[in-house]
Formats: sequence, structure tokens, C-alpha cells
Amino acid sequence: GAGVSQSPSNKVTEKGKDVELRCDPISGHTALYWYRQSLGQGLEFLIYFQGNSAPDKSGLPSDRFSAERTGGSVSTLTIQRTQQEDSAVYLCASSLRPGGKNIQYFGAGTRLSVL
Amino acid sequence: ELKVEQNPLFLSMQEGKNYTIYCNYSTTSDRLYWYRQDPGKSLESLFVLLSNGAVKQEGRLMASLDTKARLSTLHITAAVHDLSATYFCAVLRREYGNKLVFGAGTILRVKS
Repeated sequence: GAGVSQSPSNKVTEKGKDVELRCDPISGHTALYWYRQSLGQGLEFLIYFQGNSAPDKSGLPSDRFSAERTGGSVSTLTIQRTQQEDSAVYLCASSLRPGGKNIQYFGAGTRLSVL
Repeated sequence: ELKVEQNPLFLSMQEGKNYTIYCNYSTTSDRLYWYRQDPGKSLESLFVLLSNGAVKQEGRLMASLDTKARLSTLHITAAVHDLSATYFCAVLRREYGNKLVFGAGTILRVKS
């Protein structure tokens, strides 16, 4: 597609359930990033992929969070045993290559609400 | 640790006025970015500033970078209502894994 695509756009879940969030980057973009946007914490980095590997997982808030990327394309962010503090908008971004003047283009996000 | 501070956090201005948003960061940076976010929408890239003294302009917005002062500015000229949005600056450091570190954002409201 023309831009970064994320699904679902909205997700409501019960505390303790697992959720999967999907990101389709711009075709040909080798770098993929996950961020989280919440009222209290602003925009926070979660994880970065170069190809299928994740050189930087430093932003994942706990071991309940994991992510993978397959085929150098689609990425899935999984949150296990969701907690209310996980409620946020999860944004995915991609860039042609990592760093430098390569702009990160953002998707519309997945709004996660944990009841 | 790389920190990015924006001010003001909220800006209400009349149409036709000029104003500047400031973005300070704590360590040397490879790149500085400005993004715009409309309510309920994602982030739209506005500017990428790559070197000291860089200045970029698009319409009523002009961004500049002073790497020695670790300061970027986003200047708004003759504001119009359509500029109402939240503006974020973000800094990228390769040592930090190519991630963007964002400021808290400036909510801009332009009153007709």
C-alpha cells in the first residue's frame, strides 16, 4: 500500500487477555519501529527492526511485550496478560533504511483499551 | 540519557500572529525532526534537519537547527486556523538504536 497500515484500528480487551497488533510497513522499507503514545508518558519507543532482526528492544516495558517481523515486512506486537496501564495508542513506523535522513513514516495506530 | 524538551506545551494564538515553538535536547544529535499530529490521527512528517544552521520552510512554517545550542525552533508566520494541531520535535541518535526520542508536544490552537 501507499502508507503504513495498522490493524485493528481499535481494540478493547479485558484485563489478563492477550492481544496482537499488526503493522504493514511501506513496501521496500527495511526498518520498522513500534512506539506507544499515552497521556501520561507521551510518545515512547518500544522496539526497532532492521529486516527481521531487532537490534534494539530496549523500550519494551516488560516481558509481557514481544514483537516479531517476518519476511522483512509485516510485524506483530503481542501483549500478554494485558493490564490497564497498557491502554494507549500503539504506533508503527517504517523507514527506507534506519537512521540518518531516512524519515520515519507513521501508521494511524491501534488504540488499545484494557478494561 | 537523551532528553527532549519542548515549550510551550500549549499555545493559543490569534490568526495572523507569529510565534515560535522551542525544542531543546540534552546531548548531541544526528538528526532532528518535526512532526504534526491532528486529533485522532497519526504523525505527519514536516521537516528533517540534518546539520547545524539548517533552515527549512514550508508555507507558514519554518524550522531551524542550532546544534551547538542543542536547539531547534519551529516558527509560525501569520497563523491560520488550519495550523491548529499538536507539533512534536524528535531527535535521533544512532547510539540509541536509531529510535526517535520525542518531546512532549506543543498543542497549538489558532483562533479565528
